[in-house]
Amino acid sequence: DAGVIQSPRHEVTEMGQEVTLRCKPISGHNSLFWYRQTMMRGLELLIYFNNNVPIDDSGMPEDRFSAKMPNASFSTLKIQPSEPRDSAVYFCASSWGSEAFFGQGTRLTVV
Amino acid sequence: QQQVKQSPQSLIVQKGGISIINCAYENTAFDYFPWYQQFPGKGPALLIAIRPDVSEKKEGRFTISFNKSAKQFSLHIMDSQPGDSATYFCAASKRDYKLSFGAGTTVTVRA
Repeated sequence: DAGVIQSPRHEVTEMGQEVTLRCKPISGHNSLFWYRQTMMRGLELLIYFNNNVPIDDSGMPEDRFSAKMPNASFSTLKIQPSEPRDSAVYFCASSWGSEAFFGQGTRLTVV
Repeated sequence: QQQVKQSPQSLIVQKGGISIINCAYENTAFDYFPWYQQFPGKGPALLIAIRPDVSEKKEGRFTISFNKSAKQFSLHIMDSQPGDSATYFCAASKRDYKLSFGAGTTVTVRA
C-alpha cells in the first residue's frame, strides 16, 4: 500500500478563495483524522471520521471549515473563504485500531 | 488548553549519548500513549507506544517509561545517532484514538 495520500502537497492561494484539500486513506482503515500543524499551536485535531461518518468536529475552528468523507477511500477538507491565519500544514491520518498513519501533508499558504 | 505537556522544547546530544524527553497529562481517561517521530517535510510516524498497564516498553534503542500515579511518561533514546535528529511528539488518547499531541521536542544529534 502507498500509505495515506494527500493532494496537493503545496497550495498557495489568495485570501477569500476556496481551498480544497484531498486525502486517500489506507485501504481497509475505518478511521480518518484531519490534523493541522502550526508553530504556534502544534498539532491539532480538526475532525474525526469513523466508517465515513463524522464523529467529532469540535476541533474545526470556524464555519469556514468543512470536511466530507463520501466513501471509504476519499475525504476532503474545504476552507471557504480562506484567510491568512489558515496558513499551516494540514495532515490526514487513517487507522484501524490504535496506530495512526499520517500522510505527507499539504502545506497551505494564504496570501 | 494543551492536554499533554512536553519538555524540553529542544535538546542537543552527542552521538552515542542518551536523549530523554518528558511528557505529563491530566486526563486519567487516557489509555494509549504513543510517541511520533517527524522529519522535516514529512508527516509524523509512529515510533513506539505504551498502555498504562505496563511501566516500561523497549523497542531497539527506544524505551518508554510510564508512571501512572504521577501521570507522566518519557522517551529515552539510547546510543543516539545522527539519523535520530528529528522532532519527537508525545501523544495521548482514549479508546477513540483521537490523539492529543504534546508541543514537540527537536532533537539534534551531533556527530
